[in-house]
Amino acid sequence: QSVLTQPPSVSGTPGQRVTMSCSGSDSNIGRNSVTWYQHLPGAAPKLLIYIDNQRPSGVPDRFSGSKSGTSASLAISGLQSEDEADYYCTSWDDRLEILVLGTGTKVTVL
Amino acid sequence: QVLLQESGPGLVKPSQTLSLICTVSGDSISSGSHDWTWIRQPAGKGLEWLGHIYARGTSVTSTHNYSLGRRITMSADTSKNQFSLTLASVAATDTAVYYCVRAQRGNYYYYHYMDVWGRGTTVTV
Repeated sequence: QSVLTQPPSVSGTPGQRVTMSCSGSDSNIGRNSVTWYQHLPGAAPKLLIYIDNQRPSGVPDRFSGSKSGTSASLAISGLQSEDEADYYCTSWDDRLEILVLGTGTKVTVL
Repeated sequence: QVLLQESGPGLVKPSQTLSLICTVSGDSISSGSHDWTWIRQPAGKGLEWLGHIYARGTSVTSTHNYSLGRRITMSADTSKNQFSLTLASVAATDTAVYYCVRAQRGNYYYYHYMDVWGRGTTVTV
């Protein structure tokens, strides 16, 4: 089950900046940090952003994360064709005591 | 380099039990430093967190997604550096790609992120 709400899709042209949201509640995003994953077709998901806005080594700085209250956002600047993927947000839910995941957002590069 | 590899049958009959093993290399599952996690993705659907085991020495605890009720069991064989998933009474809705994953978390799960993923194994019911 998905407790975090994401838009089903976003699209943009190469070079454009796109953003996607992740909406949660007081028991998850409101209390704990948000993580973002990139899931390319045929591959395992990849860690993209952790602790709201931290990038692991090797992730381009075109990717950035932010959080405010019970919502978070992922931005991709300078969109590239290889960014076409599904993106998922996650956060620990203190009330359910499980990791909750977003519904996923498909990014399409036009 | 830390590697995780899922293994198990690719086809399971309805009402039977699905069993998967994850073999870890390059890290010790009993170090107490990580949660060892199972994630699945049904075709055309999103990711679902199934649960994790935490092992420190010979002590192993598990946390499961309540949505799977009593069907799910997770365990670890620290001597083999493996952890496993068992899902009983499977149905077609359990058909998915199953991933084993290493997760890092802070105190009280203030932060949680999954940094090393297996390649995934497809299980069809």
